[in-house]
Amino acid sequence: NAGVTQTPKFQVLKTGQSMTLQCAQDMNHNSMYWYRQDPGMGLRLIYYSASEGTTDKGEVPNGYNVSRLNKREFSLRLESAAPSQTSVYFCATLLADNTGELFFGEGSRLTVL
Amino acid sequence: AQSVTQLGSHVSVSEGALVLLRCNYSSSVPPYLFWYVQYPNQGLQLLLKYTTGATLVKGINGFEAEFKKSETSFHLTKPSAHMSDAAEYFCAVTPQGFQKLVFGTGTRLLVSP
Repeated sequence: NAGVTQTPKFQVLKTGQSMTLQCAQDMNHNSMYWYRQDPGMGLRLIYYSASEGTTDKGEVPNGYNVSRLNKREFSLRLESAAPSQTSVYFCATLLADNTGELFFGEGSRLTVL
Repeated sequence: AQSVTQLGSHVSVSEGALVLLRCNYSSSVPPYLFWYVQYPNQGLQLLLKYTTGATLVKGINGFEAEFKKSETSFHLTKPSAHMSDAAEYFCAVTPQGFQKLVFGTGTRLLVSP
């Protein structure tokens, strides 16, 4: 089925460890996004990529890096995880330029101890 | 800058009662407005959107919302709640021609028998 696939779905890390969240889409959309969701704070944009090879910071980029190596894949890396990065992370793609309609993956739940 | 305010982190209704979830926005340019729904342990799904044209927009599952420019509001309504409507609802805004959505903090709808 077409859509946005995130891996892993669950991860537990210790403080200081690194990891990469993977996101892949098969809808041929140009723009991809990483959001984090925290209770009472809604969704906050971490990074986004308007096209292959380009990335831009969102609202809360500190402590994260991203990579858009091709049109399908957009990864989010935590170089040195902190407890404040415990969250649910969502990858999304934009249906078409200038419409604002997003398709979301099912999320990756990360716990940093 | 764009922002969204959702009044009430939790709203409780009885099955069959009117559902009203409030959203007010701030935007320096004409906005696109969205309501997304999130069921437990899932990603967000588009419920409905306003871009241009008719200010009363209908979405899936019997929901509708009205764009009121004079009140900077985009409240979500449904005449009769079902148990299956229990979920978290997010209002979002983006300026026309722009790619980044700004989400509200969400309202959790609880439906009792």
